[in-house]
Amino acid sequence: ETGVTQTPRHLVMGMTNKKSLKCEQHLGHNAMYWYKQSAKKPLELMFVYNFKEQTENNSVPSRFSPECPNSSHLFLHLHTLQPEDSALYLCASSQETQGVTGELFFGEGSRLTVL
Amino acid sequence: GESVGLHLPTLSVQEGDNSIINCAYSNSASDYFIWYKQESGKGPQFIIDIRSNMDKRQGQRVTVLLNKTVKHLSLQIAATQPGDSAVYFCADLMGGKLIFGQGTELSVKP
Repeated sequence: ETGVTQTPRHLVMGMTNKKSLKCEQHLGHNAMYWYKQSAKKPLELMFVYNFKEQTENNSVPSRFSPECPNSSHLFLHLHTLQPEDSALYLCASSQETQGVTGELFFGEGSRLTVL
Repeated sequence: GESVGLHLPTLSVQEGDNSIINCAYSNSASDYFIWYKQESGKGPQFIIDIRSNMDKRQGQRVTVLLNKTVKHLSLQIAATQPGDSAVYFCADLMGGKLIFGQGTELSVKP
């Protein structure tokens, strides 16, 4: 248990569907992140939220839409995705984005398959 | 551009032997490095970190070595166990962002 919970763990969707990934952290952290993990590639940072405000959008296509209603919850809304968007989507949290340690606490990920 | 890379994508060791996983980084201004372990079906977990004012740091069965001259980082695991089988990532912290390497998959043979 890392204190970061992601749902669903697995998701299969068609290219015309709309779905959402959810992340919740129970660590009292102020920063939350979405990462994409594709096979044989490094983890790619997608979005960063600090105190509910988006502080980083790493040139992510608009078919991915993040939402952070409070410091404990983070969503990733998905619509009209492409097969190449199939990947493991990891949520993480940290005390703050410019934290001294920089340590991130990751959830177990949502495995997304786009047909 | 900035990059963090690992030397070998896979590493196989005998149970009980020591493992060494290597990582190179490109940004000489990087001042903080972390090693993460990712087991199958799980998210990455923090193992150990090191700041650039150090060249060695030890944890429980793990040691991280930092050579700033050649911009090289290594993770040493003593007496490798089956539970150490996982993908290992190095990451460096720059501008508040962690930049991850590609990962080395460690397999432990019984």
